[in-house]
Amino acid sequence: DSGVTQTPKHLITATGQRVTLRCSPRSGDLSVYWYQQSLDQGLQFLIQYYNGEERAKGNILERFSAQQFPDLHSELNLSSLELGDSALYFCASSVGGRLDGYTFGSGTRLTVV
Amino acid sequence: EDQVTQSPEALRLQEGESSSLNCSYTVSGLRGLFWYRQDPGKGPEFLFTLYSAGEEKEKERLKATLTKKESFLHITAPKPEDSATYLCAVQAKNYGQNFVFGPGTRLSVLP
Repeated sequence: DSGVTQTPKHLITATGQRVTLRCSPRSGDLSVYWYQQSLDQGLQFLIQYYNGEERAKGNILERFSAQQFPDLHSELNLSSLELGDSALYFCASSVGGRLDGYTFGSGTRLTVV
Repeated sequence: EDQVTQSPEALRLQEGESSSLNCSYTVSGLRGLFWYRQDPGKGPEFLFTLYSAGEEKEKERLKATLTKKESFLHITAPKPEDSATYLCAVQAKNYGQNFVFGPGTRLSVLP
């Protein structure tokens, strides 16, 4: 167990729907990062939050949004889902403010049918 | 454009057969290069951080090295449990704390 908890582990939904993925960071970590991993794209950075505030954005679609709550857990919202959004979505956390490796969660496998 | 490539794409080794994986990068202002191991269906697991050319890090059968343009992950006498995808990632001065990941090398170690 890495200490980063992601729920749900698996999610199957239809095109056009909206889903929410949840991430609880490792205790003491202030930064949360969301990554998408698909077979043909590898790991792609989506967005980072630090202590409740958006810190950096990567290749995140406008249909996707995220937030980090006061208890530091984070949610990634995916709407108007398309078949191409099927992927593994990983959350990672770090202390923040220093150069260090992330700790990744086990991911949520999203399948859009 | 910043880029991270890894070779080979896939590698099959016999148990005990040592080899090396390559990570080549072109970024401006490297802050750190990271190696991760990823097992199927799981999140990447942090292995090493390298900060400057000439630096080396070791952990069990793995040794990571860094030059100005590439990093190598040397695997000595691998065992079947070393089978995984090995990812490298770079962090550059204009990325904040974010990484650019390479596509990975899928390593299979046969008994």
